[in-house]
Amino acid sequence: GQQVMQIPQYQHVQEGEDFTTYCNSSTTLSNIQWYKQRPGGHPVFLIQLVKSGEVKKQKRLTFQFGEAKKNSSLHITATQTTDVGTYFCAIVEGSQGNLIFGKGTKLSVKP
Amino acid sequence: ETGVTQSPTHLIKTRGQQVTLRCSSQSGHNTVSWYQQALGQGPQFIFQYYREEENGRGNFPPRFSGLQFPNYSSELNVNALELDDSALYLCASSLVVGAIAEAFFGQGTRLTVV
Repeated sequence: GQQVMQIPQYQHVQEGEDFTTYCNSSTTLSNIQWYKQRPGGHPVFLIQLVKSGEVKKQKRLTFQFGEAKKNSSLHITATQTTDVGTYFCAIVEGSQGNLIFGKGTKLSVKP
Repeated sequence: ETGVTQSPTHLIKTRGQQVTLRCSSQSGHNTVSWYQQALGQGPQFIFQYYREEENGRGNFPPRFSGLQFPNYSSELNVNALELDDSALYLCASSLVVGAIAEAFFGQGTRLTVV
């Protein structure tokens, strides 16, 4: 089945620094989703990308889908302590949308 | 708040026992999926139910089984528990609108097998 590899596994930043996590696949993806999971919490849907080269922004978060639809990235500008958590990319499979998750990037932000 | 509720929130079981976890999906969502999340890992797809029928299954043995009821609530049953079954079990209901399939996760059940 399809898989996605996420890097880095961990990222420690000073508050105000930028952060980027990358998601890569060896096969062409039809779509990719991003989720955030706060410590002790559950995954929360952030966005879905479907078009080649697509770029979407949500305030300080920028999501990108590669031209070949084999990679994606999430960039956070000027991190805040509220950004702490694990960020997962996921592929939507099947007609009803079951998800194949990457292993996630755990972000810690030092005030 | 997603509207997806799971019970119980925490559970401790002994190896070899059986467990039933419950999920009430968000109103209007007729698809429910179950995921297992081991510590430090991403959620892994167990299976999905759509209109009370199993609609897809991940790489989990038959001792993992499920049900979906007419009101779209769901159960996950695990027989013959093993130590490696210790994990956070997440239920997600989903709504497909056009090309977007957004999953709404419950808060999870933390299962510890001793």
